[in-house]
Amino acid sequence: NAGVTQTPKFQVLKTGQSMTLQCAQDMNHEYMSWYRQDPGMGLRLIHYSVGAGITDQGEVPNGYNVSRSTTEDFPLRLLSAAPSQTSVYFCASSWDSPNTGELFFGEGSRLTVL
Amino acid sequence: KQEVTQIPAALSVPEGENLVLNCSFTDSAIYNLQWFRQDPGKGLTSLLLIQSSQREQTSGRLNASLDKSSGRSTLYIAASQPGDSATYLCAVGGGGSNYKLTFGKGTLLTVNP
Repeated sequence: NAGVTQTPKFQVLKTGQSMTLQCAQDMNHEYMSWYRQDPGMGLRLIHYSVGAGITDQGEVPNGYNVSRSTTEDFPLRLLSAAPSQTSVYFCASSWDSPNTGELFFGEGSRLTVL
Repeated sequence: KQEVTQIPAALSVPEGENLVLNCSFTDSAIYNLQWFRQDPGKGLTSLLLIQSSQREQTSGRLNASLDKSSGRSTLYIAASQPGDSATYLCAVGGGGSNYKLTFGKGTLLTVNP
């Protein structure tokens, strides 16, 4: 039972490079989300999706793009990486909404932007 | 804007001790409250979920309570073990958003053998 799978686990980028963090879940969850975790800042919501074809912004969406073409996948794209995007990124999913059910997290992707 | 505070930021106890972790929130219009555990370098694991209509939830040695009117929740850990060492985070759902959890910054618990 894989749950929420994130790849890659570690990535180093140079300023201005682009990349995609992958997230997949096998629980048929409608809700998926991306958080970043920074020391002293806690977890902050970047983007979320309530179903295929539907996405919305969270607290800190600038510099990130998302799309949801299938129920299973929710990739996070950095179009032009900046040092301020150095962080640990977590993908999380829930059956319907985090307000009604348990939120399941991936293991995280640690990104360093030089 | 919902704000979640966890006190203390760090706690060190000897093995076998019963302990309480605290979580407070500013907007009482919540849908639920969840407690998570995070081990170093790992993702978050949900421990307990309390719906807004409930007062408490129990799982094994863990008991979480919720008092919406005062904006407080506690996580009680009985007979602590070294394996309980981790960061514990609380998160509230609602308080102005249908699809967003607001997280506290966590309490780092160390249980010494």
